[in-house]
Amino acid sequence: DAGITQSPRHKVTETGTPVTLRCHQTENHRYMYWYRQDPGHGLRLIHYSYGVKDTDKGEVSDGYSVSRSKTEDFLLTLESATSSQTSVYFCAISDIRQDVNGYTFGSGTRLTVV
Amino acid sequence: GDSVTQMEGPVTLSEEAFLTINCTYTATGYPSLFWYVQYPGEGLQLLLKATKADDKGSNKGFEATYRKETTSFHLEKGSVQVSDSAVYFCAFYSGGSNYKLTFGKGTLLTVNP
Repeated sequence: DAGITQSPRHKVTETGTPVTLRCHQTENHRYMYWYRQDPGHGLRLIHYSYGVKDTDKGEVSDGYSVSRSKTEDFLLTLESATSSQTSVYFCAISDIRQDVNGYTFGSGTRLTVV
Repeated sequence: GDSVTQMEGPVTLSEEAFLTINCTYTATGYPSLFWYVQYPGEGLQLLLKATKADDKGSNKGFEATYRKETTSFHLEKGSVQVSDSAVYFCAFYSGGSNYKLTFGKGTLLTVNP
């Protein structure tokens, strides 16, 4: 009954390989977001989506791409993973009333690039 | 531009101590304000919120009051427990077309028995 799930929860990958993280929601919310969390930087927005096939860049989008082909899934792809992309990645969802409801976050994916 | 400034941590308290975590914001218009909590190894959870000036949000013994005149939303709890050890994030939503919340950098709270 989580409403939002991220997969995988943990991943170790090698430098230079592509990696895709998945965010799946069952809330039928319009908006979905990808953040990364690093010590000293808090949460930084990578990309977000405001509808199927509608996405936009956040503040740290270089080296990342996203796709949203259906409402429930928002994929984050690291095109060629680098060690600087070692981080914890969070997906968040919201309905049209962000002013009242804020976001709901997933449990995160811990990615290590070696 | 829009931003949130929150008290830098880490904050270390003894059980039953009083907690304040300061948060001030810079935003256009009249934002909605939020506090999120992140327990170790988990995602962020909404702790409390306030959507207009002078509103008080409360949950689990935590409180915060929306102060428009000082653009602040300080988090308080009268008696903290070990289980309150977590990272706390202040955030706001200011509307417009950006669809996004603006977050502070988080404050780590450790409560010792």
